[in-house]
Amino acid sequence: EVQLVESGGDLVQPGGSLRLSCAASGFTFGNYAMAWVRQAPGKGLEWVSSIDGGGYNTYYADSVRGRFTISRDNSKNTLHLQMNTLRAEDTAVYFCSRGTYRNQWERGNYWGQGALVTVSS
Amino acid sequence: DIQMTQSPSFLSASVGDRIAITCQASQDINNYLNWYQQRPGKAPKLLISDASTLETGVPSRFSAFRSGTNFTFTITSLQPEDVATYYCQQYDHVPRNTFGQGTKLEIK
Repeated sequence: EVQLVESGGDLVQPGGSLRLSCAASGFTFGNYAMAWVRQAPGKGLEWVSSIDGGGYNTYYADSVRGRFTISRDNSKNTLHLQMNTLRAEDTAVYFCSRGTYRNQWERGNYWGQGALVTVSS
Repeated sequence: DIQMTQSPSFLSASVGDRIAITCQASQDINNYLNWYQQRPGKAPKLLISDASTLETGVPSRFSAFRSGTNFTFTITSLQPEDVATYYCQQYDHVPRNTFGQGTKLEIK
């Protein structure tokens, strides 16, 4: 059974940093692209970042480029999102999601339960 | 960037009704469109991929089709468990995926 479990969500002050993790199980982790998708309170879904199966290519939404870094450790079946210089508008539930293919995240076949990040003073 | 205009934003219908949700792309995206269901407090669930392909295990009352840059998602014979928000998502310009604004569906 495919499982994705996010951790690391917390309350952080504006300008602060936070690292989210997503522990994957039930599939060959390195064979699939992964993504982070967020949802601000009462709002819709927003693609944040994605990474290919080998971890060689990373992609970011304009809203987070230069502040967030996606990475993966295929030996530990774990996906990360390092978030720096956080802003109030980054407040959201962050979902990790597994794609269908190795090279690109084109759709989310599986999703974690989400991790809440609150940016507030 | 490709914009996805989803409508309506809110929909109220009765059990047994047929409902339709549309997404219009700002440019041609071929069949590169997915539909998700998100129940309250839960993660999204992929229902339909590539504009019209029903995912394994998804009830057949869900369907979707494409006409040019317009995409339509339908539920025939609405059930109480279908209460959710539904989103379209284009992936023609990967990795820059774009979601529609969502349609909140409630039962009358």
